[in-house]
Amino acid sequence: QKEVEQNSGPLSVPEGAIASLNCTYSDRGSQSFFWYRQYSGKSPELIMFIYSNGDKEDGRFTAQLNKASQYVSLLIRDSQPSDSATYLCAVSPSNTGKLIFGQGTTLQVKP
Amino acid sequence: EAGVVQSPRYKIIEKKQPVAFWCNPISGHNTLYWYRQNLGQGPELLIRYENEEAVDDSQLPKDRFSAERLKGVDSTLKIQPAELGDSAVYLCASSYPTGYYNEQFFGPGTRLTVL
Repeated sequence: QKEVEQNSGPLSVPEGAIASLNCTYSDRGSQSFFWYRQYSGKSPELIMFIYSNGDKEDGRFTAQLNKASQYVSLLIRDSQPSDSATYLCAVSPSNTGKLIFGQGTTLQVKP
Repeated sequence: EAGVVQSPRYKIIEKKQPVAFWCNPISGHNTLYWYRQNLGQGPELLIRYENEEAVDDSQLPKDRFSAERLKGVDSTLKIQPAELGDSAVYLCASSYPTGYYNEQFFGPGTRLTVL
């Protein structure tokens, strides 16, 4: 079992729809969780982080964390073609200072 | 504020040749990371430095890979000799740890092709 799992996609949604990206992790001791966006040929950039159960909203983005189910998700409302990218889920195990990345989910937003 | 700087951006070498990558982190960031990202995969940590000290190098293939971070600022990652399977993007990242939250800022990466 991989430590951080994501569906590689591609996930295709129409412009203006809600895109839902999911991630599961295996280490119950994980403390913080991150979503990075990576455009083709570019480096990852942080868009959201969360470390408490529940929802965290930032503009059109909402991160959701359920530690009991070891599940993290990212919702993108009013999806735009510029949101088309690979979204990487990253998990930081307790007190390690390291990030373990999933393989990423490719999102395609069609005009 | 300047971001993480890496060079070269692209490198093509033949197998068995040596290669080196350079990284300059964001000013004031004492933690530096080297990752390898294979096509279609997420980044995988190779080594993490806290200042000059390599605190996690468990994933670094030490038979052919080496790294150094002199004076706790710039870092160099070396492969000698390179193998076909080393073709990947090598990413450098830096951060200033603050408790649970540890935002890592990535450089543009070096795309290595081994022929």
